[in-house]
Amino acid sequence: AQSVTQPDIHITVSEGASLELRCNYSYGATPYLFWYVQSPGQGLQLLLKYFSGDTLVQGIKGFEAEFKRSQSSFNLRKPSVHWSDAAEYFCAVGKQAGTALIFGKGTTLSVSS
Amino acid sequence: GAGVSQSPSNKVTEKGKDVELRCDPISGHTALYWYRQSLGQGLEFLIYFQGNSAPDKSGLPSDRFSAERTGGSVSTLTIQRTQQEDSAVYLCASSATNEQFFGPGTRLTVL
Repeated sequence: AQSVTQPDIHITVSEGASLELRCNYSYGATPYLFWYVQSPGQGLQLLLKYFSGDTLVQGIKGFEAEFKRSQSSFNLRKPSVHWSDAAEYFCAVGKQAGTALIFGKGTTLSVSS
Repeated sequence: GAGVSQSPSNKVTEKGKDVELRCDPISGHTALYWYRQSLGQGLEFLIYFQGNSAPDKSGLPSDRFSAERTGGSVSTLTIQRTQQEDSAVYLCASSATNEQFFGPGTRLTVL
């Protein structure tokens, strides 16, 4: 069965510092991978997605993620964090395009000044 | 254009009552999904509609939960005989291809 693990429940980063949020998945074939962000009281917004091709994908708000098949990982990165990035981040995997997603438990990002 | 909308935004009900939650997907989106977000369980898939195909109900936690999608558009999630463990945020999403767009959710509180 598919599963997604986000090992870090809560991360605090100083404003302007770099960020990496970890995501590991379990799936036999190449999965469809997503990162979503949820601000307090808001719905989920798609940051980026990976289906195939270049393993480094660029998303919105300056985020990027790298698919590493050998490590079953899809870590999210940002070179310089802004206070407005404080939110909850979810990694998700789908078996194929258009199917239901399996989500990780989420990582809460706090940004300190 | 308009995004996915859900109503009501908040619903407080008493244990044992039935509730209906509504989702209006983005116009033209053929796929519609329901998820539940709760503190202990994170985000869980409930049910998935794709066009005129039979829905994938594999995520529904019990037979108290059901959903329908009328005319390939609006969907209603019904929870019968609500229990306190049903308290959660219920999220709806729709998609045309491979990206799911989420609504703001309905926060359900069962007293």
